[in-house]
Formats: sequence, C-alpha cells, structure tokens
Amino acid sequence: DVKVTQSSRYLVKRTGEKVFLECVQDMDHENMFWYRQDPGLGLRLIYFSYDVKMKEKGDIPEGYSVSREKKERFSLILESASTNQTSMYLCASSYTGAHNEQFFGPGTRLTVL
Amino acid sequence: GQQVMQIPQYQHVQEGEDFTTYCNSSTTLSNIQWYKQRPGGHPVFLIQLVKSGEVKKQKRLTFQFGEAKKNSSLHITATQTTDVGTYFCAGRGSEKLVFGKGTKLTVNP
Repeated sequence: DVKVTQSSRYLVKRTGEKVFLECVQDMDHENMFWYRQDPGLGLRLIYFSYDVKMKEKGDIPEGYSVSREKKERFSLILESASTNQTSMYLCASSYTGAHNEQFFGPGTRLTVL
Repeated sequence: GQQVMQIPQYQHVQEGEDFTTYCNSSTTLSNIQWYKQRPGGHPVFLIQLVKSGEVKKQKRLTFQFGEAKKNSSLHITATQTTDVGTYFCAGRGSEKLVFGKGTKLTVNP
C-alpha cells in the first residue's frame, strides 16, 4: 500500500516562528502536493512539485515556500508563521499519467498562537 | 482559472434515504475523481471517470460523468451510518487537479 507520512499530527507554534512541515511518500511518485483545509473552504492547493527540485505555485502560495531535494520528500516552510496560517495541512502524492489519483497523508493540524 | 463547484455543501439524511452530490466545472475536464474523507481522517480516492457519459458503480455508490465532461454526480442508494463524511470531486482540466469544496454528509440512524 502507498504510504504518505507527515512529520507531526499536531503542532503548536508562536507568531513569527519558522515552521517546517515534512512529508514523505514511499511509492516513488513523481508528483507531490501541499494543501490546506479550512471549514467551508475545502482543499486549497499551496504548492506542488512535478520532480526533484521543481516547484510550482498553487492557488494560495503567499506566506509559504517549499523544498524538494529528494524524490520522496516534500517540505512546506512557513517563514514567519502568522495566526491566519492556523489550519489543517495535508500532503499528497501521485504518479504522472492516467492513474494519477492522489494519496493523502494523515494531515498536520497547525495552531499558531 | 478553472473552477469546480460542488453542491450541496451539507446534507443530512435519515439512514436508508438516498443521497446525491453534484459537481460542475467551468471548463471541460479530461477526467474527474471522487474522494471521501471520514470525520477526523484524510481524503481517500474512490474512483476516476474519464469518458463522456461514463457511469461506474461501487456497491451502493453510482458515479456519473456528464456528456459534455463538465459535470459529475455521486449517488448513494440507501445510506448507512458508515457513509458519513465529506465527499469531494476533483476535476482535471489542462493542468492540475482542482478540488470542489466538498459535500458533508451526516446520517441519522
């Protein structure tokens, strides 16, 4: 089975802190994604990556950056956390091509105080 | 840009009643995917539809893709308490997959 893991299930940080969210997948997927999920707003794409060292902005990239140094790992970075970044963060991965369903990690619930 | 609208946002049914959620895209889609997220869980892929007018079934779930490949629906027959959760559609246009906001289903036993 495909496994997508995220470094923390729950995280509490202070305003202004630098925050790293890590995601690892074990299926050799080319594509990796970071979403945030908020009530009533569904899943919003922050950043995605089609390959190592490649990154593309999603719909809400402001305040975030990403890093993909290895194929299996995709990191989301909040350079200076703010209270409006309190959210559930979901990582996903997929193959490129016809069978490109996304496999999601369990999520990290981040609270910024 | 591409938008995917999903209705209703919430649906509450009595166990045994049917349930339908609808998805509409602003542009023609190459395929559409459906996901289910149980309470406290993460989205899990259910199915992908590719062909115009395609209909697929998974037990009590029926998925349809419109003839124009701009809309889709998920119908659950005789809901059970195990069906509770949020159902998302996700449409792929020319580039990335775009998720609808989801329909949250609650089932009264």
